[in-house]
Amino acid sequence: KAGVTQTPRYLIKTRGQQVTLSCSPISGHRSVSWYQQTPGQGLQFLFEYFSETQRNKGNFPGRFSGRQFSNSRSEMNVSTLELGDSALYLCASSFAEFYEQYFGPGTRLTVT
Amino acid sequence: GQQLNQSPQSMFIQEGEDVSMNCTSSSIFNTWLWYKQDPGEGPVLLIALYKAGELTSNGRLTAQFGITRKDSFLNISASIPSDVGIYFCAGYNNNDMRFGAGTRLTVKP
Repeated sequence: KAGVTQTPRYLIKTRGQQVTLSCSPISGHRSVSWYQQTPGQGLQFLFEYFSETQRNKGNFPGRFSGRQFSNSRSEMNVSTLELGDSALYLCASSFAEFYEQYFGPGTRLTVT
Repeated sequence: GQQLNQSPQSMFIQEGEDVSMNCTSSSIFNTWLWYKQDPGEGPVLLIALYKAGELTSNGRLTAQFGITRKDSFLNISASIPSDVGIYFCAGYNNNDMRFGAGTRLTVKP
């Protein structure tokens, strides 16, 4: 069974731009969660989507948004990028309960 | 939000030694999870704990859900070089998931 895939793996953007990251969950998984990982703040939960609806949400500003498609693939968008948005963005999928999840390799975003 | 207090931050041990790390919180959690992350990879779920006092093993790994529901520990017995990595604890309660800062484990052959 193929694992969680994330594209792109690496991305460099300029402050003020916006970015869209993509995640394809494990086949059959309907829950997709997004996390931000930085050396300073560690792993922080962004949001979770289940069956195309946002089911859980962390404490991030509105510049961070996401969506899920009918095939369970998910995208995360960050608008008006700031230097502090530089991080590894991880996607995770699960069949039902969102915490019983499998992580992808992440997208490394660098904002200059 | 407040993350979990995980200790130690790092450990340098000899192959064959046992390892113990723990996680504490000021809040109660209904589920505790332990992950391992290798460089360039996402975290991998090692053990999930669902009940206060629960003790669960996965091979050489053993984890316990504290009876106060505010802590958990992970033990690794007879460490081997491939145990190297960063171990994270996570607590889940009421649609809220928090993580510890991680314990970086180095195993010397």
